[in-house]
Amino acid sequence: SAVISQKPSRDICQRGTSLTIQCQVDSQVTMMFWYRQQPGQSLTLIATANQGSEATYESGFVIDKFPISRPNLTFSTLTVSNMSPEDSSIYLCSVEDQAYTYGYTFGSGTRLTVV
Amino acid sequence: AQSVTQLGSHVSVSEGALVLLRCNYSSSVPPYLFWYVQYPNQGLQLLLKYTTGATLVKGINGFEAEFKKSETSFHLTKPSAHMSDAAEYFCAVSDPRGSTLGRLYFGRGTQLTVWP
Repeated sequence: SAVISQKPSRDICQRGTSLTIQCQVDSQVTMMFWYRQQPGQSLTLIATANQGSEATYESGFVIDKFPISRPNLTFSTLTVSNMSPEDSSIYLCSVEDQAYTYGYTFGSGTRLTVV
Repeated sequence: AQSVTQLGSHVSVSEGALVLLRCNYSSSVPPYLFWYVQYPNQGLQLLLKYTTGATLVKGINGFEAEFKKSETSFHLTKPSAHMSDAAEYFCAVSDPRGSTLGRLYFGRGTQLTVWP
């Protein structure tokens, strides 16, 4: 199955700053997905990132707050901008795994704490 | 719109006992269905999935799930729990129609505890 490297694995950031999370896949994928998992909650899709086009954001998420880049078929970044304590969450990237039809593989996540 | 309900945020079983984690979904079209497991401080690992065909699907680590359309359910079972099964389990659905394929909608998760 696909192997996803997500960095950083965790970070503690000051409010008002920004953090960029990187997601590297060992194979080319068309779509990449970014999710947020707030403490004690389930996963919520932030946006879908296709190479060569603007990311598609879900309701409640905006590009100014969560800008996404997708420069090629194996890499994407998510930036959490102007952070507040409410942004403290685990952020995960996901891709459709060619190893199994309609199977989606997740990175190990970035555990973000905003103080 | 898709939604997932996992009954029971916490389930405790003894080692060797049956594991049953419940998942019900709401979907306007026959969905694709997934179970993921999340071990502490790790990402999500796919246990099994249902897309089409046989409604009883077998996954890794001895888990299986059955898609019951009439009950809109996709419950996860394992005949005999092992200590290593202790983790958080998430049920998820996706709408198989083209433009939304890949968007997973997750339940709130069920924390499984296995007692020795």
